[in-house]
This record gives sequence, structure tokens and C-alpha cells, in this order.
Amino acid sequence: AQKVTQAQTEISVVEKEDVTLDCVYETRDTTYYLFWYKQPPSGELVFLIRRNSFDEQNEISGRYSWNFQKSTSSFNFTITASQVVDSAVYFCALSEATGYSTLTFGKGTMLLVSP
Amino acid sequence: DTEVTQTPKHLVMGMTNKKSLKCEQHMGHRAMYWYKQKAKKPPELMFVYSYEKLSINESVPSRFSPECPNSSLLNLHLHALQPEDSALYLCASSHSGGGGTEAFFGQGTRLTVV
Repeated sequence: AQKVTQAQTEISVVEKEDVTLDCVYETRDTTYYLFWYKQPPSGELVFLIRRNSFDEQNEISGRYSWNFQKSTSSFNFTITASQVVDSAVYFCALSEATGYSTLTFGKGTMLLVSP
Repeated sequence: DTEVTQTPKHLVMGMTNKKSLKCEQHMGHRAMYWYKQKAKKPPELMFVYSYEKLSINESVPSRFSPECPNSSLLNLHLHALQPEDSALYLCASSHSGGGGTEAFFGQGTRLTVV
């Protein structure tokens, strides 16, 4: 069975601070995919990144960066110089490589960025 | 703006009502999904359609009835719902049903059952 754990329920930071959201996963599959989604108050889940299990390169996209470490089954997400607009719930998710693109979500981390 | 459009955005219905949620995408995706999300919880998969055929039904009660009229449309028919069915219902689509393809979500329908 697959499982995703986001231990941080809520994080509060002040604008311009850096913040890291933790994600730990469990799976018996050797090939799998990891995702991060952002859910603002409007409700829509916004796709941020997908990473397959064979690609452990870290990725940077603007103020966002992701650290994938297979050895510790972690896929952490860092926002540099946070902004108020980053306030949202962030979900880490896991998908099998075969079958359908169904997502197993973590419980989510609510990020509150205050001015 | 999302390329997955859900209507209505909000819906209040009584336990004896029949209503339908609609989802539309024009990205040429061949897999479509319904997820249910309770407050402060992650989304939970309900149904998966692949090439207009129901592929996964996650033991959802029969008062929820999905329909996929064509590759761009996905409906969720609601009948005799219970107050505990109040939630955000999210539709998603992906390029194919294959594992690992990113899913794109609509803004959801916030359903309240009274």
C-alpha cells in the first residue's frame, strides 16, 4: 500500500522568509511518481511538479525548489523569499507508474504567509 | 485559468433532490476523474474514466452515479444524498490513464446537503 506523510499541519511565516514543506512517502513499487499540488482558498488544485523515481536531481523553478532523496523516501519542497500569495494548502502526492494516474495524497500542509 | 471547468461552483440540495455536477475539458485528455474532498482533508478518489469507460469505482455509494457522455465531458449525478456527503467535489483530467501523468483539476463544486 502507498502512503504519503506530511507531518507539518500548519506553518506560519513572515513574508520573505524561506520555508520548507516536508513530505515522506512509502511504496513497494520500484517505479513511481511524486507530485506537489497547491490548493488556494478558491479550491482548485494547481499542479506544481512531477518527479519520477529514477530522477533524483533537484529542481528549481523560480522561488520554488524540490529536494528528492530516495534514500530517505523524502520529497521536500522549499519556497524561497515567501510571499503572501504563497498562502495555500500544499499537498504532496504519490502515483503508481502503471494503471491509472490516481493520486495518493498526504494530509496537506497549510502555509500562512503574513505581510 | 484552469482548463478544467466545473459547474456549478456552489450547490445546495435537499436530501430528496436529484442534481448533477458537470465537468468539461478541452485539452484532448482521455482520462477523467472525480475526487471528493472534505474540509481540512486531502482529496479522495471516487471514479476514473479512461477512454469514456468507467475504469475505477472506489466503492462509492450508488447515490453517486458518474457518466461520461464523450471524451470532453464528465458528469456526476446525485440522488438521495446525506448531509455527510457535503464536500468539495473535484474533477480532474490527464493526458491518458497511464500512471504518472499529471492530472489537472477544476475549481470544484462546493456541495451542501441539507
